Amino acid sequence: DVVLTQTPPTLSATIGQSVSISCRSSQSLLHSNGNTYLNWLLQRPGQPPQLLIYLVSRLESGVPNRFSGSGSGTDFTLKISGVEAEDLGVYYCVQSTHAPLTFGSGTKLEIK
Amino acid sequence: EVQLVETGGGLVQPGRSLKLSCVASGFTFNNYWMSWTRQAPGKGLEWVASITNSGGSTYYPDSVKGRFTISRDNAQNTLYLQMNSLRSEDTATYYCTRIRDWGQGTLVTVSS
Repeated sequence: DVVLTQTPPTLSATIGQSVSISCRSSQSLLHSNGNTYLNWLLQRPGQPPQLLIYLVSRLESGVPNRFSGSGSGTDFTLKISGVEAEDLGVYYCVQSTHAPLTFGSGTKLEIK
Repeated sequence: EVQLVETGGGLVQPGRSLKLSCVASGFTFNNYWMSWTRQAPGKGLEWVASITNSGGSTYYPDSVKGRFTISRDNAQNTLYLQMNSLRSEDTATYYCTRIRDWGQGTLVTVSS
């Protein structure tokens, strides 16, 4: 199974600060169809996860453009350009290129 | 608007069975693979089962293989998870998901 290694496990940021989260895969997430099925989720406290980014860098509808995704192959990054209070929660990367579906272990974002 | 509504959770004794349901609306259900994912209290997301859009193939991690069965009724836009021989470590909130969308979750507590 694909292992996704997420770092850092926790992140503390002030409002307006920019932060990045890394997700490294144990194997390339490039599918034979040319797509890379690497997504980013945010789980706010007491809420189900919600999709932020799909196919590495595509912003889900309704998600603020301070969120951006980048990367290829085995290395991926989620960046928040100017953290806001509502961004607190746990961020997960998840891949669906290779069965089975696998998740990163999560990065908890705290607001200072 | 996409909706995924899970039902069927509750308190169950170890060794007993429970069946979860997820009714989908707002998208063409039979076009998508669907999955169940769970989250134990205070823990990260764990994939539990996936099923192809036709229902012809299913996938499970070793932790539930042989005990859990995922199925779907495309005519009723409904996803199921039959859980047998439940253990205390199966205690979690169970989410129905197609990754882009998530239900609110249903809590399963396995305890005597």
